[in-house]
Amino acid sequence: DAMVIQNPRYQVTQFGKPVTLSCSQTLNHNVMYWYQQKSSQAPKLLFHYYDKDFNNEADTPDNFQSRRPNTSFCFLDIRSPGLGDAAMYLCATSREPSYEQYFGPGTRLTVT
Amino acid sequence: GQQVMQIPQYQHVQEGEDFTTYCNSSTTLSNIQWYKQRPGGHPVFLIQLVKSGEVKKQKRLTFQFGEAKKNSSLHITATQTTDVGTYFCAGDPGTYKYIFGTGTRLKVLA
Repeated sequence: DAMVIQNPRYQVTQFGKPVTLSCSQTLNHNVMYWYQQKSSQAPKLLFHYYDKDFNNEADTPDNFQSRRPNTSFCFLDIRSPGLGDAAMYLCATSREPSYEQYFGPGTRLTVT
Repeated sequence: GQQVMQIPQYQHVQEGEDFTTYCNSSTTLSNIQWYKQRPGGHPVFLIQLVKSGEVKKQKRLTFQFGEAKKNSSLHITATQTTDVGTYFCAGDPGTYKYIFGTGTRLKVLA
């Protein structure tokens, strides 16, 4: 089945230690999104790729970076995680902007 | 900045009762999507509304987009325990990016 896969499902990192979360998709969608969702809150868009074009949200901290080496994969790099970065990180894809989004299961990040 | 608010924040209903969540945007939207997130799960797409005044139905779920394209609602008739979860609207203000609403958490008591 076509799907959005995120690895790992759970990630524990130390304060200030870089961490990379990965997302892959078999849907061949053009758009890939990264959202941050904290407990009992709505998903908050960090950035997205439309094909190779990167679009950063104005309020996304510089600490967060992303890479999309090919259509199928997208990575979220957190250069120096702080305690406030502990959250669920959701990857989503859509065929085109303004189409329905397919979410992966998420990676729950814990910062110690 | 642009905001999308939902009310109520929480709703507890007895199984069989109806449920409605309302979504209000501070700006006009080009379209709106609705998602359901089960406890411990990820958002799952329900529907997209594009036209002013549009009404769409999916079995017991009725979705409406306001005439001014700044508000929307989701109504569930005769709730079931499988309806438990958080319902999010997500609005596109014409930027091809979605702002998620604050969500309404629904609990259904059997």
